[in-house]
Parts: sequence; structure tokens; C-alpha cells
Amino acid sequence: TQLLEQSPQFLSIQEGENLTVYCNSSSVFSSLQWYRQEPGEGPVLLVTVVTGGEVKKLKRLTFQFGDARKDSSLHITAAQPGDTGLYLCAGPSQAGTALIFGKGTTLSVSS
Amino acid sequence: NAGVTQTPKFQVLKTGQSMTLQCAQDMNHEYMSWYRQDPGMGLRLIHYSVGAGITDQGEVPNGYNVSRSTTEDFPLRLLSAAPSQTSVYFCASSLLGSGTEAFFGQGTRLTVV
Repeated sequence: TQLLEQSPQFLSIQEGENLTVYCNSSSVFSSLQWYRQEPGEGPVLLVTVVTGGEVKKLKRLTFQFGDARKDSSLHITAAQPGDTGLYLCAGPSQAGTALIFGKGTTLSVSS
Repeated sequence: NAGVTQTPKFQVLKTGQSMTLQCAQDMNHEYMSWYRQDPGMGLRLIHYSVGAGITDQGEVPNGYNVSRSTTEDFPLRLLSAAPSQTSVYFCASSLLGSGTEAFFGQGTRLTVV
């Protein structure tokens, strides 16, 4: 069974701080995705990483895919209150017929 | 561009009642799926479909039925609601293939009393 484990589960920080969220598995994934979900809304895709070792940047967010394609991280520089939300990592099942989600990291950034 | 539309947004059911959660997408996506989201559990796949006329079970299918008569619509039926089905339900659609973006509806918050 492919599982994605996210840590930490909760993170509460002050505006301007840096943070890193992790997504780990014992299974190899062909790609991993990061979604952000705000209260009362569905998840929205932030990025897809497909190559081992790949690094992608989205403004203050940096995403990395592990060399072995078993893990990924999301680093936020100088967090802002607008970054508050639930961050989910997801990857396709081996059969490619399902998207497997981690349990998510709830981030709260206060000003 | 509507994307993925779910109705209703909120619903309260009594134990034993049945209902259908509606999901429609206008992006001509082959793949559609239903998830439930519970605190601390993440998103768990209930059922999915890779095209009209084709459906399959996900991780937590018991108590739910689906059908896919058209590319656009993928309704989820609760046959006999139970308190354990109290959850937030999300419908999603995407193109087929690994690594493609999943587009989600706004969710249906269901309470079974």
C-alpha cells in the first residue's frame, strides 16, 4: 500500500518566519503534487514535480522532489498570513487510477 | 468557466435516509472521482471513473454507489445514511494520466443525525 506521510501535522508561526513541510513515503512515485486548501474550498494545485532531484519555485514557495522520488518538501520563505491553509501532498497510485493524498499540514501564519 | 460544480453545499440527513450528491464538470475530463475528508484523515478515495460507463471502487466504497452515464456528470449516492458518513465530500476531475492536475469542487458538508 502506497502511503504519503506529512509532517508536521500542525504549524503555527509568525509572519516573516521560514518553514518547511515534509512529505515522505517508502514507495517510489512517478510524480508528486502539492495542493493548498482554504476553509470551505476544495484543494487547488500549487505544483507538480516529476524528476528526481527537481526543484521548483513559485514566488516564496520552493518545492523539492527527492532524488529517489520517495519524498518531497515545501519550503516557504518569509511566510505571510495569506499562506495560511492546509497543504496536501499527493501522488498517483502505481496503477495510475487514483491520486493518493497525505493527511496534510495545517499552517497558521499570524501577523 | 465553471470547472467542477457540486451540489448541494450543505445537507443534513437522518439515519437511514438516502440522497444523491451531484457533481458536474465542463472541462471534458475523462477521469472523475469522489473523496471524503475527515479531520486528521486527509482525503480518502471513495469511487472513481476513467470514462463514461466505467466506474471502480476506491479506498472507502462501502455505503456509496456511483454511475457515469455521461462524461460531464458523476453523482454519488448514499444508499442508507449512517452517522459514520458525516463528512465533507469532494468531487474532482482530471485528464487521464499520472501527474495531471486534479480540479476539485467546493465540497458538500454532510451531517447524518
